[in-house]
Amino acid sequence: GDSVTQMEGPVTLSEEAFLTINCTYTATGYPSLFWYVQYPGEGLQLLLKATKADDKGSNKGFEATYRKETTSFHLEKGSVQVSDSAVYFCALTVTGGGNKLTFGTGTQLKVEL
Amino acid sequence: EPEVTQTPSHQVTQMGQEVILRCVPISNHLYFYWYRQILGQKVEFLVSFYNNEISEKSEIFDDQFSVERPDGSNFTLKIRSTKLEDSAMYFCASERGRETQYFGPGTRLLVL
Repeated sequence: GDSVTQMEGPVTLSEEAFLTINCTYTATGYPSLFWYVQYPGEGLQLLLKATKADDKGSNKGFEATYRKETTSFHLEKGSVQVSDSAVYFCALTVTGGGNKLTFGTGTQLKVEL
Repeated sequence: EPEVTQTPSHQVTQMGQEVILRCVPISNHLYFYWYRQILGQKVEFLVSFYNNEISEKSEIFDDQFSVERPDGSNFTLKIRSTKLEDSAMYFCASERGRETQYFGPGTRLLVL
């Protein structure tokens, strides 16, 4: 079945450090890929998405590129802030798969001054 | 900006009791979902709903679970006889077309 694998957390970084959170996927069809973020005490918010190979999603300084050859969708940010501290979820939907989201386990990011 | 709302934010119940979790999706959305997240685990799909019927459900969504859109605005998840293992955060999501799902803040359910 479809699945998403994320790097284990927690990830602790200093402010202004470079962030990478790895995400790889397995899908039977052609997936759309998403990053959702969950701030403490809140629900899931869409951060960015990409719907086909080589697409780059970007938002709030975060970027991720849909790499079909490596089945990856790694999240990056050049300079993190304390306010980026949250849990980040990689997810996919598959066309013809009812559009349900399949999530990774989530990666907790903690950014310190 | 329109958002998905959920009530209650927290619910504590005794094992075997029925609970109803409520969601108000974004008003012009057509597809509705429930997910759950057991503490420390991944977010799992439960059920999707379109055109007043279930379009897909997971193996978690057994006969103890039901969904309803009773009045054109609310979208509810009922658990008939709760078990300890139903303790989780339950998220509602809605979607206008097959594009992007917008999530509510969740209901934390604790079954004692």
